[in-house]
Amino acid sequence: AQSVTQPDIHITVSEGASLELRCNYSYGATPYLFWYVQSPGQGLQLLLKYFSGDTLVQGIKGFEAEFKRSQSSFNLRKPSVHWSDAAEYFCAVWYSGGGADGLTFGKGTHLIIQP
Amino acid sequence: DSGVTQTPKHLITATGQRVTLRCSPRSGDLSVYWYQQSLDQGLQFLIQYYNGEERAKGNILERFSAQQFPDLHSELNLSSLELGDSALYFCASSTSGPPYNEQFFGPGTRLTVL
Repeated sequence: AQSVTQPDIHITVSEGASLELRCNYSYGATPYLFWYVQSPGQGLQLLLKYFSGDTLVQGIKGFEAEFKRSQSSFNLRKPSVHWSDAAEYFCAVWYSGGGADGLTFGKGTHLIIQP
Repeated sequence: DSGVTQTPKHLITATGQRVTLRCSPRSGDLSVYWYQQSLDQGLQFLIQYYNGEERAKGNILERFSAQQFPDLHSELNLSSLELGDSALYFCASSTSGPPYNEQFFGPGTRLTVL
């Protein structure tokens, strides 16, 4: 069965510092991978996605992620965080098969920005 | 603003009751998805409809049901409510099937069961 692991429940970063959020997935077929952001009281917004091709994908708000098949990882990065980046971040894998398809999400990483 | 609307924004009810959550997808989107977000279970996929027909089921309880109407809006019905059903319920829509088409999420309905 597919699964997504985000090992860091909380991460605190100083404003202006770089950021890396970790995501590991387990899925038997070619993964379709996503990062979503959820601001307080808001729905989820897609930051970026990976389907195929270049393993370094660029997203909105200055985020990027790198797919590493050998490590089953899809880590999210940003070179310099802003206070407005404080939010909950979710990694997800899309699965299909067995009569079902949908997104499986990780538990999320809560990003705190220190001034 | 994703273009997906959900009503109501908040819902407070008692155990044993039944509630209906409503979702209007983005204009032109044929697929609607329902998700439940709770502290202990995280974000879980419940069910998907495509152009009025059920397409896929995830971790949806038998007490829950959904439908998509001819105008493509969808309703999620939750019955015999329990305390553990308290959660944020999201609706998302996409133009057709995933994964090639991005899912756009609504703001959610927060359900509190007392």
